[in-house]
Amino acid sequence: GAGVSQSPSNKVTEKGKDVELRCDPISGHTALYWYRQRLGQGLEFLIYFQGNSAPDKSGLPSDRFSAERTGESVSTLTIQRTQQEDSAVYLCASSSGTGDGYTFGSGTRLTVV
Amino acid sequence: DAKTTQPTSMDCAEGRAANLPCNHSTISGNEYVYWYRQIHSQGPQYIIHGLKNNETNEMASLIITEDRKSSTLILPHATLRDTAVYYCIVRVAGRIQGAQKLVFGQGTRLTINP
Repeated sequence: GAGVSQSPSNKVTEKGKDVELRCDPISGHTALYWYRQRLGQGLEFLIYFQGNSAPDKSGLPSDRFSAERTGESVSTLTIQRTQQEDSAVYLCASSSGTGDGYTFGSGTRLTVV
Repeated sequence: DAKTTQPTSMDCAEGRAANLPCNHSTISGNEYVYWYRQIHSQGPQYIIHGLKNNETNEMASLIITEDRKSSTLILPHATLRDTAVYYCIVRVAGRIQGAQKLVFGQGTRLTINP
């Protein structure tokens, strides 16, 4: 597609359940990023993938968070045993890796009740 | 990682130029300055980036001081749709060779007034 696509756009889940968030990057973009944005806050880096290299997981807040990416395509962010503090908008971005600007998706709004 | 400092908020009259400052005094020689903006409930939108020369595109101009310790984003004729949070970001090298991640600060909340 023309842009970065994220699904679902909204997700309400019960505390303790696992959730999976999906990101479809722009075709041909080798780099993919996940960020979290809590209400009224700035963007918090979580993880990124570059080609077939091992991902940089330095921003993941706990071992309940994990992410996978198959080659240079779809990525999924998984949050296990969700907590209320996980409520946020989760944003995905991709880039060609050449230094040009990154393109963000519209995000998934996660609400843990 | 080089850090950026921006004012928390700014106001500008519609039709006037909006000048958004950013300090990045610890920037390294090979780090770029990027500007993004985020309109309410949307993902961030790329505006412009530069290394040391001034840059201009259809959205804005970027003025970088000679010592590279600060920069200014200029929206030449601000409209109500330019109301957003504007992020000034220095691109740092990630742990994966050749890859770079963006580290976002709190940004400047710019309000364009009619």
